Amino acid sequence: AQSVTQPDIHITVSEGASLELRCNYSYGATPYLFWYVQSPGQGLQLLLKYFSGDTLVQGIKGFEAEFKRSQSSFNLRKPSVHWSDAAEYFCAVSPYNAGNMLTFGGGTRLMVKP
Amino acid sequence: DAGITQSPRHKVTETGTPVTLRCHQTENHRYMYWYRQDPGHGLRLIHYSYGVKDTDKGEVSDGYSVSRSKTEDFLLTLESATSSQTSVYFCAIRDPQGNSGYTFGSGTRLTVV
Repeated sequence: AQSVTQPDIHITVSEGASLELRCNYSYGATPYLFWYVQSPGQGLQLLLKYFSGDTLVQGIKGFEAEFKRSQSSFNLRKPSVHWSDAAEYFCAVSPYNAGNMLTFGGGTRLMVKP
Repeated sequence: DAGITQSPRHKVTETGTPVTLRCHQTENHRYMYWYRQDPGHGLRLIHYSYGVKDTDKGEVSDGYSVSRSKTEDFLLTLESATSSQTSVYFCAIRDPQGNSGYTFGSGTRLTVV
C-alpha cells in the first residue's frame, strides 16, 4: 500500500522568504502526485498535480513542485511567501489507475511572520 | 466547491445515536469518496463508491456504512456514533476520464458528545 510522509508538522517563515515543504512517498511505481492547501475552516483546494512528463510542475498562487523519482519526493516550493499563504498543506498520492483513492500525508501547517 | 455540496455543515449528536451525512454532486462523476480529517493524520479514506450501488471500504471503515442509490448522492452513516468519530468529514468526487485531481466538498464538522 502507498504511504505519504510530510516530515514537518509546522513551519514558520517570514513574509517574502522562500518556502519548501517536503513530501516523500512510498509506492511501487510512479503514482499520481498532488498538493492541496486548506485554509482554516475551509475545504481542500488543489494547488498542483503531477501525472507524467516534465518533473517540475507549476501550480496556482505561484507554487511549484518538483518530482524526483530517485528520492521518491515531491517537494512544494514558493520563491516568496505572502501572509495569505498561511494555511495547512497536504501532499497526496494516487495509484496510476483512474478512480483510485488518494492517500494523504499528515499535513504541514505554515505560519507566516510579518 | 462548485458541483459538490455536503450537508449538514455542522452537527452535534449524542453517543449511540445514528447519524447520516450527505454528499451531493452535480458533475455526474462516477467516483465518490468519504474522508475524515483529524489532526496529525491528514485525511483518511472511510469508504468510496465507483458507481450506483457499488461501494468499497477504505482505511478506516469500522463503524461507518455508505449507500449510493443515485449517481449524485453518496450517504455516510454512523450506525451508533462514538466520541472517536468526532471529526471533520469531507466528500470528494473525481472524473476518471478527465486529467484533473479530486474535487472536495466544504466538509461537515461532527461532534459526538
